[in-house]
Amino acid sequence: QQPVQSPQAVILREGEDAVINCSSSKALYSVHWYRQKHGEAPVFLMILLKGGEQKGHDKISASFNEKKQQSSLYLTASQLSYSGTYFCGINSGGSNYKLTFGKGTLLTVNP
Amino acid sequence: DGGITQSPKYLFRKEGQNVTLSCEQNLNHDAMYWYRQDPGQGLRLIYYSQIVNDFQKGDIAEGYSVSREKKESFPLTVTSAQKNPTAFYLCASNSPGVGTGELFFGEGSRLTVL
Repeated sequence: QQPVQSPQAVILREGEDAVINCSSSKALYSVHWYRQKHGEAPVFLMILLKGGEQKGHDKISASFNEKKQQSSLYLTASQLSYSGTYFCGINSGGSNYKLTFGKGTLLTVNP
Repeated sequence: DGGITQSPKYLFRKEGQNVTLSCEQNLNHDAMYWYRQDPGQGLRLIYYSQIVNDFQKGDIAEGYSVSREKKESFPLTVTSAQKNPTAFYLCASNSPGVGTGELFFGEGSRLTVL
């Protein structure tokens, strides 16, 4: 079953913050986050393993709540380059095989 | 440079014809995957392969077939049995258990059935 992402779309002005959520009905082993710009291949952002850790680089970070079976992606002080569709991919099988992706969140950052 | 090469980038097919999409990687990855992307649907897994000569069905395998005769190659055939084949197809690979296990994607193949 696909994880549920919310919101489906969000529009920001440059410098604003956003949160994208990813919820699963299954127990999670790991959560991947990817960003895809229009007409391009998805690009890996980060992976979170079960244990409730939080990761980040630059102004993009993510958390993983194993008990709630959900992950959140935090984008702070958004830049124009952050525009794109964000996908979470979940793995429930204890390895990095077979990711099941959500439907995506379209993020638009305007000047 | 290491990466994943998909071809062709654009493909037009008449109804009733089979078509094969190519995917080659030189990253020495063990696992390879085929995803289908439709507007608003995200990425849905068609087939995946963890090792040479072995592959498993994903969530939407009906009407598709694959082979994995070489580690670096994982072609996808869209058969005439696939009822709605017009879509964007993405090939990916990774080495699970190595580093982050991140997926590396090709640039995609856009198939249009006329």
